Amino acid sequence: DSGVTQTPKHLITATGQRVTLRCSPRSGDLSVYWYQQSLDQGLQFLIQYYNGEERAKGNILERFSAQQFPDLHSELNLSSLELGDSALYFCASSVDRGQYGYTFGSGTRLTVV
Amino acid sequence: ELKVEQNPLFLSMQEGKNYTIYCNYSTTSDRLYWYRQDPGKSLESLFVLLSNGAVKQEGRLMASLDTKARLSTLHITAAVHDLSATYFCAVDMNFGNEKLTFGTGTRLTIIP
Repeated sequence: DSGVTQTPKHLITATGQRVTLRCSPRSGDLSVYWYQQSLDQGLQFLIQYYNGEERAKGNILERFSAQQFPDLHSELNLSSLELGDSALYFCASSVDRGQYGYTFGSGTRLTVV
Repeated sequence: ELKVEQNPLFLSMQEGKNYTIYCNYSTTSDRLYWYRQDPGKSLESLFVLLSNGAVKQEGRLMASLDTKARLSTLHITAAVHDLSATYFCAVDMNFGNEKLTFGTGTRLTIIP
C-alpha cells in the first residue's frame, strides 16, 4: 500500500456519461497530480493541485475537470465520455515539489462502452 | 517542450545476464525518476535522482544521472525473473513545475 488511495478501482460506463474519480493523498502530502495512461498516448500529465489550488495543467480536455478539497483529497470529473477516454487514471502525491519523489496510487481503470 | 525517450522499448534477456536501459531527455533538468510497473498495476518508485552524477543502487538495479548529457541509465545486474516488468523514466523541470514527463517505457522480460 503506497498510502495514496484511489477509488473506485474499476469503472465501466457508457458513452456520454459523467464519472468522478477520487484520490486521497499520503498523509502530509500537499500536492496531488492526475495522470492518464493509455496504450496510444502512454502516461500523460493532466493536472496538479497544491494545497487546494490548481498549480499546473497538462493536456487535459475541456470535458475533464478536477478539484482539491480542504482535507486535501482530490476528485477528477470526466464528462461526455467517449470511447477514447478508456484508460488507467492515476493519482500521485508528493510532500512538496517532488524532491522526495512522487507516490502513485493503484489507479482507476475506466472503460467506456 | 520536454521530450523523454527510452530505449530499448522491448528487452528480452536471460537470467543471470546484465543489461542497461537508456533514458534521454531534451531539456535541461536535474530531476529524474525511475519507476517500475507490473501489468495493470501502479507505478512503483525505484529511484529519485536529483543531481548531476547521482548514482543509486537497490539490489540488482543501479541508476545514474548525467545532466550534461541529459542521460540516465538503469543497469540490471544478473537479472532474475522477478525483475520482469515495464520500467519508466520520468523527468520534471524544476521547482514550481513539477509535472512528470514520462518516457515510453521499456518492457523487460527475463527468460529462465
